Amino acid sequence: AQSVAQPEDQVNVAEGNPLTVKCTYSVSGNPYLFWYVQYPNRGLQFLLKYITGDNLVKGSYGFEAEFNKSQTSFHLKKPSALVSDSALYFCAVRDYSTGFQKLVFGTGTRLLVSP
Amino acid sequence: NAGVTQTPKFQVLKTGQSMTLQCAQDMNHNSMYWYRQDPGMGLRLIYYSASEGTTDKGEVPNGYNVSRLNKREFSLRLESAAPSQTSVYFCASSEGRISGANVLTFGAGSRLTVL
Repeated sequence: AQSVAQPEDQVNVAEGNPLTVKCTYSVSGNPYLFWYVQYPNRGLQFLLKYITGDNLVKGSYGFEAEFNKSQTSFHLKKPSALVSDSALYFCAVRDYSTGFQKLVFGTGTRLLVSP
Repeated sequence: NAGVTQTPKFQVLKTGQSMTLQCAQDMNHNSMYWYRQDPGMGLRLIYYSASEGTTDKGEVPNGYNVSRLNKREFSLRLESAAPSQTSVYFCASSEGRISGANVLTFGAGSRLTVL
């Protein structure tokens, strides 16, 4: 079964510093990978996706993610964190095992950016 | 555009009561989903509807039923609520199987407490 793991429950970073939120995946076949963000009392919002091509994927709000096949990772990054980036971040992988595309989500990582 | 609208936003039930969560999307999307979000467990798929007229079980379907009323609407019913169903429920939609890798649009969530 397709799965993703987010090893950190929470990441703390100071405003202006670079941030990384980690995700590793386990899939059969080529991975389709996603990052979503959830702000308080809101639904999830799409940030970016990797399908094929460049290993560095750029997304919304200045976020990017690096696909690393050898390490089976898809870490989310941002060069300079903002307090407003504080939210819950979910990594997800496409599951196509039933012939229909569904997303399988990780457990989420809470990002806290301090002023 | 309203996107995905869920009602109610909050609900408190007693064990054994029934209720229906309503979801509607105005993006002409083919596929719709119901997820539940629990602390430390991320999002888990309850049911999905690949297209109008079809529904399928996800990862955690027990205790739930769904109806795809038309292309716009996808409801989730709890026939006899249990405390284990206390959760935040999210409805989502996507263009469907045609697209190479689906991007989901989520509603704001429905917080359900079962006493």
